[in-house]
Amino acid sequence: GQQVMQIPQYQHVQEGEDFTTYCNSSTTLSNIQWYKQRPGGHPVFLIQLVKSGEVKKQKRLTFQFGEAKKNSSLHITATQTTDVGTYFCAGPALTGTASKLTFGTGTRLQVTL
Amino acid sequence: DSGVTQTPKHLITATGQRVTLRCSPRSGDLSVYWYQQSLDQGLQFLIQYYNGEERAKGNILERFSAQQFPDLHSELNLSSLELGDSALYFCASSVSALAGDPGNEQYFGPGTRLTVT
Repeated sequence: GQQVMQIPQYQHVQEGEDFTTYCNSSTTLSNIQWYKQRPGGHPVFLIQLVKSGEVKKQKRLTFQFGEAKKNSSLHITATQTTDVGTYFCAGPALTGTASKLTFGTGTRLQVTL
Repeated sequence: DSGVTQTPKHLITATGQRVTLRCSPRSGDLSVYWYQQSLDQGLQFLIQYYNGEERAKGNILERFSAQQFPDLHSELNLSSLELGDSALYFCASSVSALAGDPGNEQYFGPGTRLTVT
């Protein structure tokens, strides 16, 4: 079945440093979604990318969808303590006439002052 | 606040027991999804209901079952509980049937933490 891997598993940065997480799918994706889960919280939808090579920005966050639509990245510029959490990518997998979201393994970001 | 509610917040029970987790989706959402998240693990998709009908199945054990009622709330039933079933169980909802469709992002509830002793 479809597998979605993320690297790194964990990253610890000083506040102000940049951070990037990479997402790789074993299959081509029609689109990719990103979610953030704060410690003790629930996943919150961040963004969806649909087009090959698409780049979207949300303030300090930059999301990219690969040309082959099998990989994606999330880059945070000048991290802040509010960026702490686990970032998940998720891609749809068709199962007959239905579809399910396969979540990546997640990257846990820790930011210290 | 995502608009998705889950009860109870915490549940402690013994091995062999049966529990029911409840979820109310956001107003207007017809799809409900159930996920399991074990300690420091990712999100494992269990099952999806759309407008009362089972729509997609993931890695759901035979001891687990779910349903969605006419008012669109959903319940996840876990029986013959084992220690390994201890986890966070999230419910999510979305507008339409196809998970991952553009515009069909999922909104997660706060989760139910299940501890099996």
